[in-house]
Amino acid sequence: QKEVEQNSGPLSVPEGAIASLNCTYSDRGSQSFFWYRQYSGKSPELIMSIYSNGDKEDGRFTAQLNKASQYVSLLIRDSQPSDSATYLCAGSSSGGSYIPTFGRGTSLIVHP
Amino acid sequence: SAVISQKPSRDICQRGTSLTIQCQVDSQVTMMFWYRQQPGQSLTLIATANQGSEATYESGFVIDKFPISRPNLTFSTLTVSNMSPEDSSIYLCSAVDRAMGEQYFGPGTRLTVT
Repeated sequence: QKEVEQNSGPLSVPEGAIASLNCTYSDRGSQSFFWYRQYSGKSPELIMSIYSNGDKEDGRFTAQLNKASQYVSLLIRDSQPSDSATYLCAGSSSGGSYIPTFGRGTSLIVHP
Repeated sequence: SAVISQKPSRDICQRGTSLTIQCQVDSQVTMMFWYRQQPGQSLTLIATANQGSEATYESGFVIDKFPISRPNLTFSTLTVSNMSPEDSSIYLCSAVDRAMGEQYFGPGTRLTVT
C-alpha cells in the first residue's frame, strides 16, 4: 500500500516567517514529487515539482527531497496571509502507469 | 502546463437521476483521472480514464455507478448514475502533462443531490 503522510495541522505562522511543511512516503519506487496549494472551495494548484535529491527553489518556495529518508518538504519564506491554504504532497513512480498518491494535506494559516 | 475545463461548474440534482460531467484539456495529455473530494477532506481517486477503452476503477467505485468515457486524448466524461445524497461532493478532473509528467486539475464540479 503506497502512502503519503502529512500532518493535517493546522500549522500557524506569523506573517513574514518561514513556513515548513513536511511529507513522508512509503513507496521507495516513487521518483517524482509534487506540492499543490488548495484554497478553500478551489481545486488543487501545482506549485512545485521535484525529481532529484536536494533543494529546488522557485521564488519564495523551496522544495526539498531526501530519497534515503523518504522525506519531502516545502518551505515558504516570507509567509503572507494569502499563503493560507491546504498544501497537498503527492508522489508517483516513474515508468509504466502513472498512479499518483496524495497525502491528506496540511492546513497552513498565516496570521498578520 | 495543461489547462483543464469542466462543465457544469455546479449542479443540484434530484435523487435517482444521473449527471454527466465533461472535462476538456487544452493539450494532449498522457493520463486523465477523476477524483472526488468532500469539503475539508482529501482527494479520493475514482478512476483512471483510458483512451478508447474501459476506465480503471479504484476500490469502492464501479462502472455501473460511475461510467467514464475518454474518446480521445483531450476529452473525458464522468457520469454519476442513480444519484443519492451521499454522492454530493466536488468532482475533479485531472490530467498528466505529456511533456513534464506533471498533474493538473480542473476547477471542479460541485454536485448537490437532494
